[in-house]
Amino acid sequence: GEDVEQSLFLSVREGDSSVINCTYTDSSSTYLYWYKQEPGAGLQLLTYIFSNMDMKQDQRLTVLLNKKDKHLSLRIADTQTGDSAIYFCAERRGGSQGNLIFGKGTKLSVKP
Amino acid sequence: DVKVTQSSRYLVKRTGEKVFLECVQDMDHENMFWYRQDPGLGLRLIYFSYDVKMKEKGDIPEGYSVSREKKERFSLILESASTNQTSMYLCASRWTGGFMADTQYFGPGTRLTVL
Repeated sequence: GEDVEQSLFLSVREGDSSVINCTYTDSSSTYLYWYKQEPGAGLQLLTYIFSNMDMKQDQRLTVLLNKKDKHLSLRIADTQTGDSAIYFCAERRGGSQGNLIFGKGTKLSVKP
Repeated sequence: DVKVTQSSRYLVKRTGEKVFLECVQDMDHENMFWYRQDPGLGLRLIYFSYDVKMKEKGDIPEGYSVSREKKERFSLILESASTNQTSMYLCASRWTGGFMADTQYFGPGTRLTVL
C-alpha cells in the first residue's frame, strides 16, 4: 500500500521495554524518523536513521531497520511514565522533494 | 536549538470567518510546512514552501492558502472557515544542508475550533 503503517496503541509497565513497529513503503527512502508527541504539544524529533544503516542506538533508544521487509522499529529500554506519548514513524521518500510521509502514530501508555 | 513558534495555542472561530495562523522559525531554514493532525488520520500535509514567495500544494490544500513573504514566517490562511477545518494545525521548518539534512522541526501546534 501507499501508507506508512503503525499499530495505534501499545501499553507497557514501567521498567519494561517498549517496542513500536512501523512498516514503510518506499525502498528508496533515504531517511526514516521517529517523532514523539506529548499531550497538547507539537512533534519532537527523537531519532532518525539513514537507509544504509541497520541499527542506531542513542541512550535508551534503539532503532532497527530491516530494508528487505521495509520494517522499522523503536525500542525504548526501561520505559518510564514520562515516555507516555504518541510516537510517529516517518519516511523521506526518494524523489518526493524531501517531504515526509507520516504514520498515524502509536499511542504508548506506561502503567506504574 | 531550533525554535518554531506558532501565534496561538488555541483558537475559536465562527463559520465563514477568515482565519490566519502564523508560524515563525528562528534558524534561517529555507523550507516550511503546514500540516493538520486529526485523530485516526495522523499528519496530513496542507502546503509547503521551499523559499520566500514559493509555495507548493500538499495532499489536502482545498480550503486553504498560504503566504511566505519573509523567510522566517509562513502563514496559513483559511479564507472562509468551516466546521470540518476544526483540527490541530502543526507548522514545521527544515534545514536542507549538512548531516541533519531533511529533519523537520515542529512548532507546538494550534488547536483550531470552528463553530
